[in-house]
Amino acid sequence: GDSVTQMEGPVTLSEEAFLTINCTYTATGYPSLFWYVQYPGEGLQLLLKATKADDKGSNKGFEATYRKETTSFHLEKGSVQVSDSAVYFCALFNTNAGKSTFGDGTTLTVKP
Amino acid sequence: GAGVSQSPRYKVAKRGQDVALRCDPISGHVSLFWYQQALGQGPEFLTYFQNEAQLDKSGLPSDRFFAERPEGSVSTLKIQRTQQEDSAVYLCASSQAGLGQVISPLHFGNGTRLTVT
Repeated sequence: GDSVTQMEGPVTLSEEAFLTINCTYTATGYPSLFWYVQYPGEGLQLLLKATKADDKGSNKGFEATYRKETTSFHLEKGSVQVSDSAVYFCALFNTNAGKSTFGDGTTLTVKP
Repeated sequence: GAGVSQSPRYKVAKRGQDVALRCDPISGHVSLFWYQQALGQGPEFLTYFQNEAQLDKSGLPSDRFFAERPEGSVSTLKIQRTQQEDSAVYLCASSQAGLGQVISPLHFGNGTRLTVT
């Protein structure tokens, strides 16, 4: 079946540091890939997405590129802020299966 | 409404009790999903509705779990004879598109935290 593996957390960074959260996946067919974010006390919300190979999703300074050859969708941000502290979930949507599969989440804490 | 609404936000049940969890999706959204999220883990798929049709219930862990969406909007997840292992956050998500249509992202509710004592 489909699966998503994220780098384990928690991750603690200082403000303005560079962020990478690794994500790799296993899926049949050609899934779409997503990053969702959950801020404290809130529900999951879409951060960015990519629907085909080599697509780059971007939002709020975050980026991730759909790499089919390495089955990866790593999340990056050049300069994190305290307000980026949250839990980040990598997910895939398999059109054939009609459902999304999520990673276990990575908790990011940014300190001033 | 503006977003996906779930109620109650918290539910404590004694082992063996039945519970019902409600989800109000975004108006007009065709697809509705239920997920179960254990502490420290990602959401795990339970079931999927396209309008009123339950197209996939492969993730429901046992026959004590039942979901419905009779009019294609509000959905209820019912758990009968709750067990301690049912303790989790239950998330509802809706999306605009149905199967075979342009992929649209999931919009999540804040979840219902169920604790079975």
